[in-house]
Amino acid sequence: AQSVTQPDIHITVSEGASLELRCNYSYGATPYLFWYVQSPGQGLQLLLKYFSGDTLVQGIKGFEAEFKRSQSSFNLRKPSVHWSDAAEYFCAVEGRNTGKLIFGQGTTLQVKP
Amino acid sequence: ETGVTQTPRHLVMGMTNKKSLKCEQHLGHNAMYWYKQSAKKPLELMFVYSLEERVENNSVPSRFSPECPNSSHLFLHLHTLQPEDSALYLCASSLSVLAAYNEQFFGPGTRLTVL
Repeated sequence: AQSVTQPDIHITVSEGASLELRCNYSYGATPYLFWYVQSPGQGLQLLLKYFSGDTLVQGIKGFEAEFKRSQSSFNLRKPSVHWSDAAEYFCAVEGRNTGKLIFGQGTTLQVKP
Repeated sequence: ETGVTQTPRHLVMGMTNKKSLKCEQHLGHNAMYWYKQSAKKPLELMFVYSLEERVENNSVPSRFSPECPNSSHLFLHLHTLQPEDSALYLCASSLSVLAAYNEQFFGPGTRLTVL
């Protein structure tokens, strides 16, 4: 069965520091992978997605993620965090042509001034 | 209005009430979704509609009844809910349920409290 694990429930970083949020997936083939962000009181917004090709994908707001097949991972990174990045981040996987997104439990990011 | 809108944003109801959640998408999409987001749990897919036909019903209790009258509107009718149904209910839409076009756009959600 498909599943997504985000090992870190809560992360705190200082403003200006680099960030890496971990995501591991379980799926029999190469899935479609997504990162979404949810600010308080808001719906989810797509940050970036991986379908195929270059394993390093660029997204909005300065985020990037790298797909590593050997590690079944799709970690999200940002070189310098801004206070406005404080939010909850969700990794999701979709089996090809199933139309269903499977989400991880989410990682709450807190940014210290 | 742009994107995906949901009304109401907040709803408090008793266990014997009947209420409905409304979702509208202004993106010209053909697929719409209902998700449940409970505290400390992953988002749970409840229903998927493609071209107004239900294509997925994820073992959701019958006290939740979806309706998709056209490709722009999606409702979730609620009756005799339980306190454990209190959650944020998110609506989403995408161009298609086919994975290559399944970038989902989410509404802000309805915060439901069942007393």
